[in-house]
Amino acid sequence: EAGVVQSPRYKIIEKKQPVAFWCNPISGHNTLYWYRQNLGQGPELLIRYENEEAVDDSQLPKDRFSAERLKGVDSTLKIQPAELGDSAVYLCASSFRNYEQYFGPGTRLTVT
Amino acid sequence: QKEVEQNSGPLSVPEGAIASLNCTYSDRGSQSFFWYRQYSGKSPELIMFIYSNGDKEDGRFTAQLNKASQYVSLLIRDSQPSDSATYLCAVIHSGGYQKVTFGTGTKLQVIP
Repeated sequence: EAGVVQSPRYKIIEKKQPVAFWCNPISGHNTLYWYRQNLGQGPELLIRYENEEAVDDSQLPKDRFSAERLKGVDSTLKIQPAELGDSAVYLCASSFRNYEQYFGPGTRLTVT
Repeated sequence: QKEVEQNSGPLSVPEGAIASLNCTYSDRGSQSFFWYRQYSGKSPELIMFIYSNGDKEDGRFTAQLNKASQYVSLLIRDSQPSDSATYLCAVIHSGGYQKVTFGTGTKLQVIP
């Protein structure tokens, strides 16, 4: 069974530029999560989808971050414009309902 | 008070010893608890989950849940150098949209 796929793995951009991350969850997993992880910290949930519906986006900085999960499968997380403080690892995870989560390899974002 | 608390460590144990990792949570109604292992530069990997009070064993790993005292523990028997990693505790809170919160993780070092 294929795992969670994320791309790109690494991204370096200048501040004020836009950036997008893509995630393909494990087949059959209806729940998809986007996390941000800073060095030495645990993952911080940005948004959780149940199928196409965003059921928890309370931690998503909506002034610059947006996400979508069309057709309830793949998802895209966008930052526009990026700030220096957005440098982090962005993790996507999926699960069947809201239970055991399986993580993708993550995208390491560096904003210069 | 943080919703999920872990001692950041590092916790150092000799090879072959039992490593004991602890996690406390603030939401008394939380129902689901997870332990993830994260190697440096890698994404979290699910190793245990527990939903009921008591112990759950899987190989060298035992998860212990005490809802009355609001803590969950992970025991690693016969610790190996390959167990050296950061261990993250995750909790699904009760009610509403069942928010997922991760602790900051405990770094474990197994000394050969």
